[in-house]
Amino acid sequence: DGGITQSPKYLFRKEGQNVTLSCEQNLNHDAMYWYRQDPGQGLRLIYYSQIVNDFQKGDIAEGYSVSREKKESFPLTVTSAQKNPTAFYLCASSPGPTSRQETQYFGPGTRLLVL
Amino acid sequence: AQTVTQSQPEMSVQEAETVTLSCTYDTSESDYYLFWYKQPPSRQMILVIRQEAYKQQNATENRFSVNFQKAAKSFSLKISDSQLGDAAMYFCAYRGWDSNYQLIWGAGTKLIIKP
Repeated sequence: DGGITQSPKYLFRKEGQNVTLSCEQNLNHDAMYWYRQDPGQGLRLIYYSQIVNDFQKGDIAEGYSVSREKKESFPLTVTSAQKNPTAFYLCASSPGPTSRQETQYFGPGTRLLVL
Repeated sequence: AQTVTQSQPEMSVQEAETVTLSCTYDTSESDYYLFWYKQPPSRQMILVIRQEAYKQQNATENRFSVNFQKAAKSFSLKISDSQLGDAAMYFCAYRGWDSNYQLIWGAGTKLIIKP
């Protein structure tokens, strides 16, 4: 089945701890994205990557880091510098910025809670 | 900068009836894409329908259709024969070429289906 997977479904972070959220896609998409969603709110872009080994900051990148070493994978690390990490995190992918079929498809999400 | 506005925080409709969700946007671009996404209680973001601005014909997907008014910068979603499974948050999103291919999101409309 083609799609986007995110793991874990739930993640608990202790104070001062870095945690990493996984996002994998087998759609052969060039572009990948990370969004944060707070309760009752819309989506805010954290980071995005349009090609392997390249990524750009979104609107709320502070306290987060990413890597894009493989086309299929775009992990997000929530660092200890992110003081309010409790939120729902969505990963998405799309064919690529030059594609006329530039539609983003989403994974099931990861809920991050602080202990 | 482009903006997307959903003026209805919440809408309700009787099962089997028709409901229309509103979305307006602001842009100076002539070529862009508009999307409606659905986020059910599972919180996974699901693409409902997509409209390309250069196409005059309104997009339709089964019970879902849009009323795209380019001059008025309006992009409403009509859901016919509403079903209980349609209950969700609905987000309108814009993707242009000047926004570095990112999606610009509305705040969402919560749709309640009354049995």
